[in-house]
Amino acid sequence: QVQLQESGPGLVKTSETLSLTCIVSGGSINGYYWSWIRQPAGKGLEWIGRFYTSGSTNYNPSLKSRVTMAVDTSKNQFFLSLNSVTAADTAVYYCAREVNYDSSGRYFDYWGQGTLVTVAS
Amino acid sequence: DIQMTQSPSSLSASVGDRVTITCRASQSITNYLNWYQQKPGKAPKVLIYAASSLQSGVPSRFSGSGSGTDFTLTISSLQPEDFAMYYCQQSYSTPRTFGQGTKVEIK
Repeated sequence: QVQLQESGPGLVKTSETLSLTCIVSGGSINGYYWSWIRQPAGKGLEWIGRFYTSGSTNYNPSLKSRVTMAVDTSKNQFFLSLNSVTAADTAVYYCAREVNYDSSGRYFDYWGQGTLVTVAS
Repeated sequence: DIQMTQSPSSLSASVGDRVTITCRASQSITNYLNWYQQKPGKAPKVLIYAASSLQSGVPSRFSGSGSGTDFTLTISSLQPEDFAMYYCQQSYSTPRTFGQGTKVEIK
């Protein structure tokens, strides 16, 4: 059974960089797309971006200038960095695996439990 | 970006009721539409993928239909454990986008 676990600081200061790690267990990180998704309290889901283990990335244009994703395949973990954060970046952050069911179609089949990141001065 | 619009935003229903949630895409997404259920404090869980395919382990009272721009999630007989938020999500293109959610509450 694949499991994902997010970790990182729960509090980040305004204008600084939010850094999170997602550790994947129970399966290989190779050969899949891995995404970060966030959810402000009481609100909907926002896709931040994804990477494929070959190195390709796709970021949400709304966040692209501030986002970096990276992977350490040797440790089966991947990372999110979001710089110049403001209170609007306060949210629960999820990591998730995107699996394909045909040549093009995909869905998020495994999710971490989420980690709350609060941005405050 | 493809905008996903769900309706209603919330609904009240009783155990045993048939419930229908709709999702409309701002452009055709063929059948690249997924449905998720989210309970408080938990991550979303996929129910339906490819508009109408039931994820393994999901009860058969959940079903999905639609193609192009209009999609429907139906719960044939609402159970107590079904009271939750429901989101649609398109996988036709990036950025991936979700509907704003539908809250299913107990009447």
